[in-house]
Formats: sequence, structure tokens, C-alpha cells
Amino acid sequence: DSGVTQTPKHLITATGQRVTLRCSPRSGDLSVYWYQQSLDQGLQFLIQYYNGEERAKGNILERFSAQQFPDLHSELNLSSLELGDSALYFCASSVAGTGTYNEQFFGPGTRLTVL
Amino acid sequence: DAKTTQPTSMDCAEGRAANLPCNHSTISGNEYVYWYRQIHSQGPQYIIHGLKNNETNEMASLIITEDRKSSTLILPHATLRDTAVYYCIVRVLWAPYNQGGKLIFGQGTELSVKP
Repeated sequence: DSGVTQTPKHLITATGQRVTLRCSPRSGDLSVYWYQQSLDQGLQFLIQYYNGEERAKGNILERFSAQQFPDLHSELNLSSLELGDSALYFCASSVAGTGTYNEQFFGPGTRLTVL
Repeated sequence: DAKTTQPTSMDCAEGRAANLPCNHSTISGNEYVYWYRQIHSQGPQYIIHGLKNNETNEMASLIITEDRKSSTLILPHATLRDTAVYYCIVRVLWAPYNQGGKLIFGQGTELSVKP
């Protein structure tokens, strides 16, 4: 158990819909990262927040957005869903935004299926 | 971040040492070598990281060549539970503010530990 929690574990929805994935980082960790893992793209970095502020952006679609709240939990919002958005979505956390103590601890993931 | 090259798959007999190679010939002087693994569809798990000296922890050993162009992750006594995809990642410890601490995953090596 990494100490990172993600809800829900599974999500099945239809094209065009909007969903919210939630992540609670390990106690004391200030950074939250979101990754997407699909069969054809592998594990891809989406976005990072550090202490409530966006720190880095990866290949995140405009239809996707994220935020980190004052209690440090984070939400990833996916809208206008397409079949290709079906994937495993992982959240990870680390103590720092970069540098030492940046070992990332991953949650168990949310499996999103878009029908 | 430097690119890495890993074999697609490897087999190892249970109880034997598993030696997983990684080439990173374009690594820069300030880049570290990190290893993570992902057991089937679970969140990736940090294993070890190093700069130029060999490193050992309770999970594995990391051997980095003197020219730092390649490294080997060693699992000294592989068990069936070590069957996973192993990712070798090269990145700077201190990234620019807007690059944060993201991890860039390649395809990894699928290690199968057999009885």
C-alpha cells in the first residue's frame, strides 16, 4: 500500500459524458501527478500540482483539467469523453515538486471505460 | 531528459538473480537513473535510483557503468512476485520550475520469473 488513494476504482460511462477522478496523496506530500496509461500510448504524464499550484503540464488534452485543493487532494476532470479516453489513470504523490525526496508513490489507479 | 533503451522482455528462473540492462548513452552529467516497476495494472512502484555510484537497497542493486552510458538493475533472488514491467528512467534531480518532477516512461522490460 503506497498511501495514495484513488476513487473510484472503476468507471464506465458513455461518449460525450464528463467524469471526475479523485486522488488523495500520502500524508505530508505536497505534489500530485496524474498519468494516463492506455494500450497504445503506454504511461504518459498529464499534469503536476505542487501545493495547490500547477507545476508542469504534459500531454493533457484541452478537454481534461485538474486542480489541487487546500487539503492537497486532487481531482482530474475529463469531459466530452471519447472512446480513446478509455485508459487507466494513475495519481502519484511526492514530498517535493522536484529535487531530492521526489520519489513518487503511485495510487492503484482508476480504470475508465468509455462506451 | 535522456532516452533509454531496454530489452522488450526477459525471463528469469525463480531464485536466480535477474539482471535487467538499460542503455542511456546520451545521459547528461546531472541526470540520475531511476528504476520503477509495474506489476500487472497496478500503480508503478519506485525501486532505486543513482547518479554514478552503485546503489543497493532492500529491493535491488543498481550498477552504473563508469561512463554512465548504461546500467543494470539486479534483483538478487527473483521470486514469482517480481514478475512485472521494469522501467528505466533518466532525469535530472533538480528540474526547472515549470518542468517539475514528471517521470517519462518508455516501454520497459517485461520480466517473467518462472518456477
